[in-house]
Amino acid sequence: DTAVSQTPKYLVTQMGNDKSIKCEQNLGHDTMYWYKQDSKKFLKIMFSYNNKELIINETVPNRFSPKSPDKAHLNLHINSLELGDSAVYFCASSQDRRSKTQYFGPGTRLLVL
Amino acid sequence: SQQGEEDPQALSIQEGENATMNCSYKTSINNLQWYRQNSGRGLVHLILIRSNEREKHSGRLRVTLDTSKKSSSLLITASRAADTASYFCATDNSGNTPLVFGKGTRLSVIA
Repeated sequence: DTAVSQTPKYLVTQMGNDKSIKCEQNLGHDTMYWYKQDSKKFLKIMFSYNNKELIINETVPNRFSPKSPDKAHLNLHINSLELGDSAVYFCASSQDRRSKTQYFGPGTRLLVL
Repeated sequence: SQQGEEDPQALSIQEGENATMNCSYKTSINNLQWYRQNSGRGLVHLILIRSNEREKHSGRLRVTLDTSKKSSSLLITASRAADTASYFCATDNSGNTPLVFGKGTRLSVIA
């Protein structure tokens, strides 16, 4: 009955590979987010979707492509992985785009070798 | 660009003591929130304070906001070992803008 879940929890892969991270929320929220947390714990917004529509797209390389098949899911696909992509990726959701309280998933630890 | 800046970066106290963490920000805000992150986990929302509020309490947590100084503080009273975590402030400044997080304060509570 986890509110926001992410898979996988850990991801170790080679440079140049393509990988996906999945996120699901069972809170009935309209808005979902992807964040990247670097090694210094700095957390930065990447994308936000509201009811399957992209509403925030920060300066993120085109290699990152979010996909929202429905409002409960927001997946992140990364092409041609680079060393600098190594980080922890967090999915989060909020009731709607105006609600500022966010609920975070447990994170996906990505290591690119 | 980064908005919140927590201070101190790291704090170590004995169980039972109070812990105070500060957050400073640069631009005007609508709301300021505090989140906790346990090691290896996602962030958990603790408390939200609106720009027209000065103080808010939740259990052992007390948050103050001084918009004239663009700063907020989080006080955890009677700390416990389980309070060991990183604490982040996050600000927003209009309806649809994203939250901007600071770098966090790492709190260690020693039993």
